[in-house]
Amino acid sequence: AQKVTQAQTEISVVEKEDVTLDCVYETRDTTYYLFWYKQPPSGELVFLIRRNSFDEQNEISGRYSWNFQKSTSSFNFTITASQVVDSAVYFCAFPNETGNKLVFGAGTILRVKS
Amino acid sequence: KAGVTQTPRYLIKTRGQQVTLSCSPISGHRSVSWYQQTPGQGLQFLFEYFSETQRNKGNFPGRFSGRQFSNSRSEMNVSTLELGDSALYLCASSFRPRSIDTQYFGPGTRLTVL
Repeated sequence: AQKVTQAQTEISVVEKEDVTLDCVYETRDTTYYLFWYKQPPSGELVFLIRRNSFDEQNEISGRYSWNFQKSTSSFNFTITASQVVDSAVYFCAFPNETGNKLVFGAGTILRVKS
Repeated sequence: KAGVTQTPRYLIKTRGQQVTLSCSPISGHRSVSWYQQTPGQGLQFLFEYFSETQRNKGNFPGRFSGRQFSNSRSEMNVSTLELGDSALYLCASSFRPRSIDTQYFGPGTRLTVL
């Protein structure tokens, strides 16, 4: 069964520190997609990135970067020089076996202190 | 493009009542999914609609229902409310009814059942 694990329940950092959020997935599929979403205190889930299994290149978008490694079934997310506005819950998500819904990890609460 | 909109943003109801939540997808998106988010269970898939038809349903009792209109707007209804129905209800839209397509979420409706 498809499964997404975010082992880090909560992370606290001081502003300007780098922080990495872990995501490990389980699948028997050879083709699949992975997603990251951010949920700020307002509650809305904000789409961050979608990656497919064919592309293992790291992706960088400003202070955000993603490291996708099929060999370890991980899709980790790094925020460089964190800011207070990065404080949120971050979810990794993955389609289920039949591809008809997204399965979300439990989420990682990130607190960035000034 | 306007994002996904949900109304109302907040609702307070009492046990036994029923409630209807509304979701307007991004223009051009024809698939609408609903999720329930609670502290204990996390994000759970409720159902998905495409072209006015329910395509997928999560593991929720029949008190939870929904529908989609010809303009892709969707409503979900919860009858005979229970205390455990208190949650953030999130609506997401995508172009196609497949979980590999990026889903864009609305701000959610926070339902409190007293």
